[in-house]
Amino acid sequence: AQKVTQAQTEISVVEKEDVTLDCVYETRDTTYYLFWYKQPPSGELVFLIRRNSFDEQNEISGRYSWNFQKSTSSFNFTITASQVVDSAVYFCALRQMETSGSRLTFGEGTQLTVNP
Amino acid sequence: NAGVTQTPKFRILKIGQSMTLQCTQDMNHNYMYWYRQDPGMGLKLIYYSVGAGITDKGEVPNGYNVSRSTTEDFPLRLELAAPSQTSVYFCASNPRGGLAKNIQYFGAGTRLSVL
Repeated sequence: AQKVTQAQTEISVVEKEDVTLDCVYETRDTTYYLFWYKQPPSGELVFLIRRNSFDEQNEISGRYSWNFQKSTSSFNFTITASQVVDSAVYFCALRQMETSGSRLTFGEGTQLTVNP
Repeated sequence: NAGVTQTPKFRILKIGQSMTLQCTQDMNHNYMYWYRQDPGMGLKLIYYSVGAGITDKGEVPNGYNVSRSTTEDFPLRLELAAPSQTSVYFCASNPRGGLAKNIQYFGAGTRLSVL
């Protein structure tokens, strides 16, 4: 069975602080994809990043960076110099290749609040 | 630039009523999904489809039905609505191949209350 755990239910920071959102996953498969999605207060889900299990390089996109460590089954997300617009629920998700139809297993999300 | 379109955005149902949540996508994606999101929780997969005429159950299919007669449309049917079906419903789609393979694109959601 596959599982995604986001242990931090809520995080509150002050603007310009750095913040890291944790994601730990469980899978028996050797080939899989990991994702992060953002759900702002308006409610829609916005795709942020996809990473396959063979690519352990960290990725940076502007103020966002992702740290993938297969050894600890973690795919953590860091926002540098946070802004109020970063306030949202962030979901980590796993796609196991043995399942059909690109089905995703989602974590329960981390509510990030960035205060001015 | 429509993407994935869900209707209605909001709906209140009485216990025992039925309704269909509509989902359509204009990206020619083979794969489509229905999820529900309960307050403070992640998304749970209800049903999915890998192409027209093919549907399959997800984690929480009880109380729902789907059909996929065309590539574009994937309606979700609630028969005998129950308070436990109060939730936000999201439809999503992704292509089978190409650079965007496995990236699911979501609709804006339908907020449903069953009273």
